[in-house]
Amino acid sequence: NAGVTQTPKFRVLKTGQSMTLLCAQDMNHEYMYWYRQDPGMGLRLIHYSVGEGTTAKGEVPDGYNVSRLKKQNFLLGLESAAPSQTSVYFCASSRGNRNQPQHFGDGTRLSIL
Amino acid sequence: GQQVMQIPQYQHVQEGEDFTTYCNSSTTLSNIQWYKQRPGGHPVFLIQLVKSGEVKKQKRLTFQFGEAKKNSSLHITATQTTDVGTYFCAGVTGGGNKLTFGTGTQLKVEL
Repeated sequence: NAGVTQTPKFRVLKTGQSMTLLCAQDMNHEYMYWYRQDPGMGLRLIHYSVGEGTTAKGEVPDGYNVSRLKKQNFLLGLESAAPSQTSVYFCASSRGNRNQPQHFGDGTRLSIL
Repeated sequence: GQQVMQIPQYQHVQEGEDFTTYCNSSTTLSNIQWYKQRPGGHPVFLIQLVKSGEVKKQKRLTFQFGEAKKNSSLHITATQTTDVGTYFCAGVTGGGNKLTFGTGTQLKVEL
């Protein structure tokens, strides 16, 4: 079982470039999440989705957009990358909401120069 | 907004010593989850606590949820090198459907 797969694993961008991070899960989970992890700040929620076709803002949504066109995929977009978006991005999924454990992907290490 | 703090931020122990990390929330939590992240890895779910005062054990790991449901702790007895990593608590408030992660405690174990 693949679980949660994130692509790409590493990426270097120049300021102002755009890109999309892809998250795919094969567990038929309803909920999906995008987090960023920065040193000393834990995991901060960017956006999340409670089902196909729905998205909602998390704690730090500015500068990011998301889409959930298919239940198994959750895309995170950076329209105009900034150095402050240099981080490790994790996607996670869960069967339901607050009482369910989240399953994480391996992460995408993104550097913005 | 809800804040979840963990202390200490770092802990360096000798193998065989005990280790404890504490998690404190600014608001009452409906439940709390604990995750472990190995260096270079991703967070992995360990356990969930729901009831006030609940205590759960997993081998050498003991998890507690405070009576007021605003704090939690993870205690590891006789640490081993395999315990190395960062431990995160994550809580949910009220009827929310989002986890707020704590800042994490990084554990290093020396032989």
